[in-house]
Amino acid sequence: GQNIDQPTEMTATEGAIVQINCTYQTSGFNGLFWYQQHAGEAPTFLSYNVLDGLEEKGRFSSFLSRSKGYSYLLLKELQMKDSASYLCAALDSNYQLIWGAGTKLIIKP
Amino acid sequence: GAVVSQHPSRVICKSGTSVKIECRSLDFQATTMFWYRQFPKQSLMLMATSNEGSKATYEQGVEKDKFLINHASLTLSTLTVTSAHPEDSSFYICSAREAGKDNQPQHFGDGTRLSIL
Repeated sequence: GQNIDQPTEMTATEGAIVQINCTYQTSGFNGLFWYQQHAGEAPTFLSYNVLDGLEEKGRFSSFLSRSKGYSYLLLKELQMKDSASYLCAALDSNYQLIWGAGTKLIIKP
Repeated sequence: GAVVSQHPSRVICKSGTSVKIECRSLDFQATTMFWYRQFPKQSLMLMATSNEGSKATYEQGVEKDKFLINHASLTLSTLTVTSAHPEDSSFYICSAREAGKDNQPQHFGDGTRLSIL
């Protein structure tokens, strides 16, 4: 079956760096997405990786290893507003998104 | 950037009422739109995939007669929750993918918070 695994919850300190891991098992693979979702709001797109390696976008970076079925989202210089859930989603061979359950990130001052 | 408008943002109504939620892609054409439901502190759950000009594809366990989906144009999909009951209270979110760009991100509407009394 198809499956996405990511930690349920993580805690980090304002100004620090945090890495949120995601492993996936899908029927075929057409890329991996990271979304941010604040409580009570809809998800917003953060990043897309389809090739191995690191994609950097400001304070946020996303990494992909296709051979390992692994991705991570790296958040630098954490701000209180980064407190949110981070959703990992893989695109399978039918271009259907398989969603992880999300990682709730708690930022402490 | 791509914008998806979802309306209404919040609905409170009595049990037995039918509620229609609209999802519009404002600056792109979307042959495929997706309807999700999210209960408090739980993950997104895909309910159905809406295809322009054809019947929607429902996920297992989602009643098609309960959740009517119409995708009549390349910019509009509607979800009607028929004879809603308190257990249907949830956060409903639509998303749209631009036509011909299957590997591009889905763009989400702001969601509809449905409360059935």
